[in-house]
Amino acid sequence: DTAVSQTPKYLVTQMGNDKSIKCEQNLGHDTMYWYKQDSKKFLKIMFSYNNKELIINETVPNRFSPKSPDKAHLNLHINSLELGDSAVYFCASRPSAHTDTQYFGPGTRLTVL
Amino acid sequence: SQQGEEDPQALSIQEGENATMNCSYKTSINNLQWYRQNSGRGLVHLILIRSNEREKHSGRLRVTLDTSKKSSSLLITASRAADTASYFCATVGSSASKIIFGSGTRLSIRP
Repeated sequence: DTAVSQTPKYLVTQMGNDKSIKCEQNLGHDTMYWYKQDSKKFLKIMFSYNNKELIINETVPNRFSPKSPDKAHLNLHINSLELGDSAVYFCASRPSAHTDTQYFGPGTRLTVL
Repeated sequence: SQQGEEDPQALSIQEGENATMNCSYKTSINNLQWYRQNSGRGLVHLILIRSNEREKHSGRLRVTLDTSKKSSSLLITASRAADTASYFCATVGSSASKIIFGSGTRLSIRP
């Protein structure tokens, strides 16, 4: 299947732990994103990579560190997890700079206890 | 800051009726998009309207854009139970490469 996939789908962890979320797209897209959706469904962009290069870095705590080993993968590592990090994290991709439509992954629901 | 504001926040209608959702934004845009999110799923792109367009259709969807009022509306005609979802507008600014999402409208279709 051609798609944007994320793992894991659910992640429950204790405060203070370090965790990673992985994202892969087999659509051949150039640009990938991480979004955070809070409990009120507000979707906020966190990072964007274009061909493995960071192009958008919103005001996000430096406990969050994205890594793009190649243009098909964009992972998100979170250090020292806090209660406020609980949210659904979405990965998305965009074909090219000429297309604004984004394709979203299914989301990772992170719960910090 | 958040670009798009949707109105209403929640909408419940009878199956077969039309549903209208509105979106207002603050700065000039290159285009405006509407996405649907089913419960527990990712967002799915529905339709894109450019700043020089005023109306666009796709199946049962009709989108209008009024750049003078900085607003857009999404009309879903002859609603079905499967249309139950949250609908988000999203804007791409004239000089920005990032897309900014509104807070969404939760649409419920009653059988």
